[in-house]
Amino acid sequence: DTGVSQDPRHKITKRGQNVTFRCDPISEHNRLYWYRQTLGQGPEFLTYFQNEAQLEKSRLLSDRFSAERPKGSFSTLEIQRTEQGDSAMYLCASSARDGAYEQYFGPGTRLTVT
Amino acid sequence: GIQVEQSPPDLILQEGANSTLRCNFSDSVNNLQWFHQNPWGQLINLFYIPSGTKQNGRLSATTVATERYSLLYISSSQTTDSGVYFCAVEPPGGYNKLIFGAGTRLAVHP
Repeated sequence: DTGVSQDPRHKITKRGQNVTFRCDPISEHNRLYWYRQTLGQGPEFLTYFQNEAQLEKSRLLSDRFSAERPKGSFSTLEIQRTEQGDSAMYLCASSARDGAYEQYFGPGTRLTVT
Repeated sequence: GIQVEQSPPDLILQEGANSTLRCNFSDSVNNLQWFHQNPWGQLINLFYIPSGTKQNGRLSATTVATERYSLLYISSSQTTDSGVYFCAVEPPGGYNKLIFGAGTRLAVHP
């Protein structure tokens, strides 16, 4: 069990550029979550996948944000036309199919928009 | 939506001291987790504790779901305990999404 992994760990981009982040969940975890954390705050829920189906999206997820989980394995989060307000830590978590739904988090991708 | 309040917001301890962190939530929850966020931003699972009491080494946690609070106890604190402690709850019918409190920032000095 290698844990949840995220790539890249850090991303610096200029305003208006598009960025894409990847999350690989713990193997055989069918539930995958994206959260966003800004400085000094707790993480905020963005979206949730069960297998390949995106079942819930927060209103925080504007139309510039899109997430996918093809084949129910890894997931990508894309931000189009980045804004300075998008600067944050983007966290991915996964949980197992059965029993308790304890979530395990990856190390995060820190995005800085200049 | 459900509100999660953590106290105290900040805590400074001398190494070896004990502390209690509190998490209050405004509605019934399916699950509750405690995390420690290290200086690199990694959230480390401490407890999955929707009710009852659990212990893991110097840490223990108690959740009283009927009274809508949870407590995290840290005994004989060490400098490596420094960081931010988050409580997160799962509201009913919420596809298991977690709602986080604002955290307790702990600094342990030698």
